[in-house]
Amino acid sequence: QSALTQPASVSGSPGQSITISCTGTSSDVAAYDYVSWYQHHPGKAPKLIIFDVSKRPSGVSDRVSGYKSADTAFLTISGLQADDEADYYCNSYTVSSTSPYVLGPGTKVTVL
Amino acid sequence: EVQLVQSGAEVKKSGESLRISCQGSGFRFNKYWIGWARQSPGKGLEWMGIIHDSDIRYKSSFQGHVTISADSSTSTSYLQWTSVKPSDTAMYYCARKEWYGELQYAFDLWGQGTMVTVSS
Repeated sequence: QSALTQPASVSGSPGQSITISCTGTSSDVAAYDYVSWYQHHPGKAPKLIIFDVSKRPSGVSDRVSGYKSADTAFLTISGLQADDEADYYCNSYTVSSTSPYVLGPGTKVTVL
Repeated sequence: EVQLVQSGAEVKKSGESLRISCQGSGFRFNKYWIGWARQSPGKGLEWMGIIHDSDIRYKSSFQGHVTISADSSTSTSYLQWTSVKPSDTAMYYCARKEWYGELQYAFDLWGQGTMVTVSS
């Protein structure tokens, strides 16, 4: 069981915007600004698209943005395109004596 | 080219031992942590553990079931089982994150994945 929760699926039409939530706890999302997001096309390597809540790595489209409020982080994709159809995972640093990172269960984005 | 290259697909019988690998190239391996994640069929990604030099952190549910190791001389990390089970059937990914720096808390490079199939 993930300590983070995400909606199982989100859909939108081309050109629209979608937002995916990632709700954590006082031990992870609420405590640290170390949330990252990954895009995963099945059969391919996951790709980092947001780090430290809202920063974009070099080469990632500015259609992608992130923010956080209290214990919930959000990923927004604007101007939805066919290639945005993928699974999206949030990841947070967490206070833990063992594994220091926790992944969300993933959200399937469908472009209608 | 900066990359993580994982070993090929494995097909095993229940009870057999297994080791899969993740080799880095194009970057200083000892400046990064390597994490291992599992994706079981139809499921999401799940961290198994992370390693930097001799510092290894396991997710509690994987502690004692797998061993993560690394060889800095060959820039390679390993994930191994002494006795695989059908429930270990999954795609396994490695990923790196900076030991210190701007990307200290995110995994910016992932391997292509290794599919492990275990039959009973």
